[in-house]
Amino acid sequence: NAGVTQTPKFQVLKTGQSMTLQCAQDMNHEYMSWYRQDPGMGLRLIHYSVGAGITDQGEVPNGYNVSRSTTEDFPLRLLSAAPSQTSVYFCAIADLSTDTQYFGPGTRLTVL
Amino acid sequence: QKEVEQDPGPLSVPEGAIVSLNCTYSNSAFQYFMWYRQYSRKGPELLMYTYSSGNKEDGRFTAQVDKSSKYISLFIRDSQPSDSATYLCAMKEPGSNYQLIWGAGTKLIIKP
Repeated sequence: NAGVTQTPKFQVLKTGQSMTLQCAQDMNHEYMSWYRQDPGMGLRLIHYSVGAGITDQGEVPNGYNVSRSTTEDFPLRLLSAAPSQTSVYFCAIADLSTDTQYFGPGTRLTVL
Repeated sequence: QKEVEQDPGPLSVPEGAIVSLNCTYSNSAFQYFMWYRQYSRKGPELLMYTYSSGNKEDGRFTAQVDKSSKYISLFIRDSQPSDSATYLCAMKEPGSNYQLIWGAGTKLIIKP
């Protein structure tokens, strides 16, 4: 997971609370994305960005917002947490030259 | 039916055995095929990358793509306890940037 950091590692929220999951990279890659991983569901793309100022929706964007003001940072915001958002969240960057995605260590979120 | 199907396991084999992990898919436009390895409580990491059909070998690992059957495989020779992890297949169409379609992952356990 070198080059991609995520904070916090663990978080417990109550229904209706908001929070921001942080993702930062030091590899200077343009493409960044957020996934959620649930048992039996694999990785599902939430939002992605192909560069600063550009974001787009993935497969499961509802309930999440993103922004990309710098190349390094790509925060994911939960506006009003719901129990269905209990999951493990991964931030990933992509290396254009090798077509490789590098993942962060993940954030384990529980919504009560 | 999911676009990519992968048996979740767990698959438990003795150390030294040959392991075969598989994914089937329905979209004939997929051209890029990847295997990621995910250790417990870590983010996935790229293990093998194959374009179109054929085999690719890297040490004890061999990736095989059969586009006519829409079937990909990952073989692990001389399996080690350190190979115990979840293995996820992923694939994409040409021109889809980094929009990977993921299998749900197979949990592999290598018993010493």
